[in-house]
Amino acid sequence: GEDVEQSLFLSVREGDSSVINCTYTDSSSTYLYWYKQEPGAGLQLLTYIFSNMDMKQDQRLTVLLNKKDKHLSLRIADTQTGDSAIYFCAESIRGGGADGLTFGKGTHLIIQP
Amino acid sequence: GAVVSQHPSWVICKSGTSVKIECRSLDFQATTMFWYRQFPKQSLMLMATSNEGSKATYEQGVEKDKFLINHASLTLSTLTVTSAHPEDSSFYICSASRDSNSPLHFGNGTRLTVT
Repeated sequence: GEDVEQSLFLSVREGDSSVINCTYTDSSSTYLYWYKQEPGAGLQLLTYIFSNMDMKQDQRLTVLLNKKDKHLSLRIADTQTGDSAIYFCAESIRGGGADGLTFGKGTHLIIQP
Repeated sequence: GAVVSQHPSWVICKSGTSVKIECRSLDFQATTMFWYRQFPKQSLMLMATSNEGSKATYEQGVEKDKFLINHASLTLSTLTVTSAHPEDSSFYICSASRDSNSPLHFGNGTRLTVT
């Protein structure tokens, strides 16, 4: 199976919270990332979390990590139209400078007015 | 602001020609850079790891003679698609990080179209 799995689509109403989920298989994963990709653009690093952390919050973004279940989630509070993009979950065993990342297929976040 | 710059943003070339894509780390030195390829509506696939001063490490299935990587300085890696064919049309993205404990930052990608 895939090393990193995500749902392909998520539709939310503007102003609601969005929760994007990700599961991974490698228990050695040490670094877990969320990237945002807008159409035709590269990847923007949103946030990342180390495996020894359970939660990380940065303004509207909250990352939750359940290491036991190998489950990562990204919560976007007060979702805006500008949040419409594809969100990639990624993991690596070592820091990003030491090896490449393994990506999920990406979750397309659709914002309804 | 951007920490990794990629150039060009898009390029159209004829079959059989070669195309060079540049990736620069803007405010840090990167001994290692990574090259990814992304097909439409798909995830990123790691093509190769570019190592400053030594040969690149290619992932399985990636032809090293077709995708030439040169990492001549600590701030610049280049990917040259040689003898391009339409099936090489894709979105190529590079990435780099300050050190092994820092996250990867990505360039804005290069859209290659081979006619």
